[in-house]
Amino acid sequence: NAGVTQTPKFRILKIGQSMTLQCTQDMNHNYMYWYRQDPGMGLKLIYYSVGAGITDKGEVPNGYNVSRSTTEDFPLRLELAAPSQTSVYFCASSYSRESSGVFYEQYFGPGTRLTVT
Amino acid sequence: GQNIDQPTEMTATEGAIVQINCTYQTSGFNGLFWYQQHAGEAPTFLSYNVLDGLEEKGRFSSFLSRSKGYSYLLLKELQMKDSASYLCAAMDSNYQLIWGAGTKLIIKP
Repeated sequence: NAGVTQTPKFRILKIGQSMTLQCTQDMNHNYMYWYRQDPGMGLKLIYYSVGAGITDKGEVPNGYNVSRSTTEDFPLRLELAAPSQTSVYFCASSYSRESSGVFYEQYFGPGTRLTVT
Repeated sequence: GQNIDQPTEMTATEGAIVQINCTYQTSGFNGLFWYQQHAGEAPTFLSYNVLDGLEEKGRFSSFLSRSKGYSYLLLKELQMKDSASYLCAAMDSNYQLIWGAGTKLIIKP
């Protein structure tokens, strides 16, 4: 049981380049999330998904795109990278039943450290 | 707006007790989470409170007062491995987590 895995661990991009951050979970969780964490700041939600085929914007979605074609995978796409996107990116998943008001803890991947220069 | 406040840094001695406070303001409230994050690593879940009162889990306890918008994490018998950042996060009416910036806890021998 690997939990939440992310690739790559580190990446340096030039301004204007694009890339996809991969995220996979093997816990059959319905909810998945992408966060960014800047030094001294709290986690900021970029996008989230409540199930395959359903995605929604979080607090800071500009410059990013996501898709959720399967329960397991939730890739994050950066188009036209900018220095402001230099950050640590965490993918997370959880099992939740919103209709019942049941929410369980989020499990995090190890993170991707991205530098845009 | 929505806001989470917690101290930036705290220092404590090995073997002692430390209390990390968190105040929150959110649009609606569906519970309060505490996570631990070691430097360079991912956050890991510590506790969840949705009702008022104290939840104890080994050396760690978490308290919630919904009327005051206040929570604390209590760590007993501190060990060097407890040196980490402790993140407070409140779940709002849209079931999204609003995160604090974290409290860096430094443990001295």
